[in-house]
This record gives sequence, C-alpha cells and structure tokens, in this order.
Amino acid sequence: GAVVSQHPSWVICKSGTSVKIECRSLDFQATTMFWYRQFPKQSLMLMATSNEGSKATYEQGVEKDKFLINHASLTLSTLTVTSAHPEDSSFYICSARGPTHSPLHFGNGTRLTVT
Amino acid sequence: AQSVSQHNHHVILSEAASLELGCNYSYGGTVNLFWYVQYPGQHLQLLLKYFSGDPLVKGIKGFEAEFIKSKFSFNLRKPSVQWSDTAEYFCAVNAGNDYKLSFGAGTTVTVRA
Repeated sequence: GAVVSQHPSWVICKSGTSVKIECRSLDFQATTMFWYRQFPKQSLMLMATSNEGSKATYEQGVEKDKFLINHASLTLSTLTVTSAHPEDSSFYICSARGPTHSPLHFGNGTRLTVT
Repeated sequence: AQSVSQHNHHVILSEAASLELGCNYSYGGTVNLFWYVQYPGQHLQLLLKYFSGDPLVKGIKGFEAEFIKSKFSFNLRKPSVQWSDTAEYFCAVNAGNDYKLSFGAGTTVTVRA
C-alpha cells in the first residue's frame, strides 16, 4: 500500500485564494521531504527540500513567500500556495524518505487548477 | 489509471558491468516517459525522457532507454557502469497531455568498485 499519502489529489480554487497540500508519511518518519511541480510536456521541477524542524530550502526562482512549506513533524509536510493565480495550475508531487539510505517514496500528487 | 512497475528493487553490480533496469507501464494511449535518478544526498535529476520520435532515447551520463510500445516498456540501459552510478533510479509516466505523473517504486543500484 501507499507509504506516502498526499492530499488532496485534485483541487480547483479561485484566483486569490490559498490552497494547502499535505504530504504524510504513513509508516515511517520522514526526515526529508521534497516538493516538485510538473507542467505538461515537461519534466519535474524541484521546488524545495524540507527537513523536519528546519526551514525549507527553496530552489532558485521559487518564491518562498508564495509557496509556503512547513515540515512541522516527522510525518507531515505541507505546501501552501498563497494567493493562487492561474499560472500556478500544475501538478504538485511530494516525495519523502527516512534516515540516510532509506527508500524514497512518492505521493500520488495533487492536480491544482486555479480559475 | 496508469501504473508503473519497476522489476528490480535492488541491483548490485561491479564496475564496468552492463546495467538494464526494467520499467513497464499500464496505459493504452499516448504516453510521455521519464527516467529520473537520485544520487545519495541529492534530489531527483532527469536522466532522459521520451515524448515522441525515435524510440531509442539517449540521456546524460551514458544512459539510454528504449520505448517499446508493443511491450509497454521503457527500459533503461548503460553499457558500462561506474561506481558513481550508485543511486536510486525511478521510471515515471504521464499520459498524453496530462501532467499527472506516476512513478515506479524505484530501483536502488549499487556499483561496487
């Protein structure tokens, strides 16, 4: 079964609103979580890396005030898209791993549509 | 719904050996196919991708993959591995113009010097 649960799998929101996406590790403690986004016909783009209890490390070009990442516990990381705009419509996916050398697991992703 | 299967969970090789990692997907329509690699301590990197055209795709670091539509497969190959190829390898698929990406469970490759 799934070891990383991502919720919601699909969300539609209006411009200007905020959307929170959750990524949970179900049966392991995720010391590191990664957030990615995907546009059609492109490959994954890493947005940020989050380690439990510390601030996320954002990739160049990713607005940290717009994409708020919180990794408050060893089983939960959240990505909040603030003041969403249509160009934020994308597929967001998280991945998580436990201690060093443990397997990497992916969530099923969240399709965000901003109208 | 599309799904992706990677046949090997863990592969152990010696340097200079050839590598082939299997990937099969279940989706009957047009697909976009990817192989990603995650080196220890790093994030995912794209090795290669297939959208259309020549089914034999060449990627970075000497990797290639062949799309065989009739077999729903996209196997990754490298003729001669190096110790630095030790990593996790993930096959991923999305369907046509959709951008929902499905990943295989990953294959850990360990190359021994």
